[in-house]
Amino acid sequence: QSVLTQPPSTSGTPGQRVTISCSGSSSNIGSNYVYWYQQLPGTAPKLLIYKNNQRPSGVPDRFSGSKSGTSASLAISGLRSEDEADYYCAAWDDGLKNWVFGGGTKLTVL
Amino acid sequence: EVQLVESGGGLVQRGGSLRLSCAASGFTFSSYWMSWVRQAPGKGLEWVANIKQDESEEHYVDSVKGRFTISRDNAKNLLYLQMNSLRAEDTAVYYCVREGRLRAGMDVWGQGTTVTVSS
Repeated sequence: QSVLTQPPSTSGTPGQRVTISCSGSSSNIGSNYVYWYQQLPGTAPKLLIYKNNQRPSGVPDRFSGSKSGTSASLAISGLRSEDEADYYCAAWDDGLKNWVFGGGTKLTVL
Repeated sequence: EVQLVESGGGLVQRGGSLRLSCAASGFTFSSYWMSWVRQAPGKGLEWVANIKQDESEEHYVDSVKGRFTISRDNAKNLLYLQMNSLRAEDTAVYYCVREGRLRAGMDVWGQGTTVTVSS
């Protein structure tokens, strides 16, 4: 059971906008930044969003992040087939003194 | 090019030991926190441990405390994970990860090395 809670799967059609939620608690999301990682099939994860809503260079602006209280979300607009991947949220947990991840959300582009 | 290359994975019997290494290049290794993150077959990501730039601080996930030790050699740009008393549930791909400065997240990942613990 992951400390951060994500839906196991979601789907969308090309061009559509999808959102992925991530729920935590006051010791992690509630008091620290949220990060999002994308893992394409058979590859290592890649940083997608940092500090709640910042995109590293090279990440398209179709990807956006937000945070409110103890929850966060990742939005992907203009969905493309190459966005089909697993997405993970993460945050530092002050109580555990650990990085904690969500269980991951598998995005299928129909 | 910024790069992390893991090595040392393999097949080991339950209760055995293994030491993973990670060679860093293309950046000032001694300036960054470093982490190990693992992924069991068909499962999600699990953070394992991290270490501060000067080795003055380390953190571990509860499931590996007392069994795994993270360390680094800044002179050689190497990160290590010593794994003892291995269990079947430690079977995973282990990624070496750089933690970006100013809370920029886990911004560089290695390709991973596979550890299989046989029972």
